[in-house]
Amino acid sequence: QVQLVQSGAEVKKAGASVKVSCKASGYMFSNHYMHWVRQAPGQGLEWMGIIDPRGASTSYAQKFQGRVTMTSVTSTSTVYMELSSLRSDDTAVYYCARDRSGWEGCMDVWGQGTTVTVSS
Amino acid sequence: EKMMTQSPATLSVSPGERATLSCRASQSVSSNLAWYQQKPGQAPRLLIYGASTRATGIPARFIGSGSGTEFTLTISSLQSEDFAVYYCQQYNTWPPDTFGQGTKLEIK
Repeated sequence: QVQLVQSGAEVKKAGASVKVSCKASGYMFSNHYMHWVRQAPGQGLEWMGIIDPRGASTSYAQKFQGRVTMTSVTSTSTVYMELSSLRSDDTAVYYCARDRSGWEGCMDVWGQGTTVTVSS
Repeated sequence: EKMMTQSPATLSVSPGERATLSCRASQSVSSNLAWYQQKPGQAPRLLIYGASTRATGIPARFIGSGSGTEFTLTISSLQSEDFAVYYCQQYNTWPPDTFGQGTKLEIK
């Protein structure tokens, strides 16, 4: 079945970087763009950006420009999201989510989430 | 600035009854509107896309309607597993970064 499996929880110091992975299976990896969305404790959903899994292009939310990097390794059907210069307000659950159709913007399959805790 | 406003923030409904959730866009999003369900400790799940099309495996009691700026998610007969937080999201304009703040559907 279609599945996105993310890497495990991370605890980081403020100022450090974190890299979260998302491994896809059960579908043609290159046919669906991948989003990253985060959710701070008790808060709503915040879109961070999107990557073409073929690695051709990315689009980041303005808020994260300069701090986020999304990459893809097609040989392992895995996408990565790296966030640098971590602050305490980056503490959140980070989700990868497959775009339903190309670059549409609607997300039909989600990973289980990766908790990132930033401590000072 | 694009905004999606959901109402009410919390909705208390008894099992078996109908629930009606609203989502309003600050500018027209045509029919490019999705609804997601999120249960505690779980990832969001796509319920509705294109304002009214149920995603794969979503029961028929979930009904999406509306276009332009006004949208509604109706759950026709609430089951115990439907109590959750619901988010709307527009994907008409790029980036698709606009989620509503969520409606918590709780048991009355």
